[in-house]
Amino acid sequence: AQKITQTQPGMFVQEKEAVTLDCTYDTSDPSYGLFWYKQPSSGEMIFLIYQGSYDQQNATEGRYSLNFQKARKSANLVISASQLGDSAMYFCAMREVIASGGSYIPTFGRGTSLIVHP
Amino acid sequence: GAGVSQSPSNKVTEKGKDVELRCDPISGHTALYWYRQSLGQGLEFLIYFQGNSAPDKSGLPSDRFSAERTGGSVSTLTIQRTQQEDSAVYLCASTSRTGTEAFFGQGTRLTVV
Repeated sequence: AQKITQTQPGMFVQEKEAVTLDCTYDTSDPSYGLFWYKQPSSGEMIFLIYQGSYDQQNATEGRYSLNFQKARKSANLVISASQLGDSAMYFCAMREVIASGGSYIPTFGRGTSLIVHP
Repeated sequence: GAGVSQSPSNKVTEKGKDVELRCDPISGHTALYWYRQSLGQGLEFLIYFQGNSAPDKSGLPSDRFSAERTGGSVSTLTIQRTQQEDSAVYLCASTSRTGTEAFFGQGTRLTVV
């Protein structure tokens, strides 16, 4: 079963508008972290934002915010005031605390391709 | 070093040959991961090293794949008898013991012809 589901293979947004990229996750572990990464065409993975399962507030980093709805197991990324440079693949990831040895292995979704139109 | 370094950045090899991919993590990071990303796909976990603990090899797709980490730092991913389906970008990431995000290298693009 997929642990991270990103249902939008592609999204389009007009420059300066906001866009929401969806992510749902599946875990029975009470302690976990959620991440979003950006992968431009150059291929590097750029960390954007992190949300811990016990964090009370939704995480924000500049134009990025994470709409964390724990009961619904969703962690959507909101990008405000889109810029042309935001065009990239976006990956949602989850890291659980695995009981044996306390290891942390981030699991990634399939990604969403975002294209920002001028 | 300042970031995670991977070499080579590109590798073209003939089917059936062995290849070695290298990852030099951020200094002081105890955790190191290898992932594989096929064209247009997400990241597939391969193997995880944490300090001196036994590695988690649960993601390795076959016994042709192996990895080691020497001195708790540099890691080498070896693929024996490469097949065309091994063509992908191989990404390495590291994180500190209590860190949150994983820092990724630029990846090695492997093409098996």
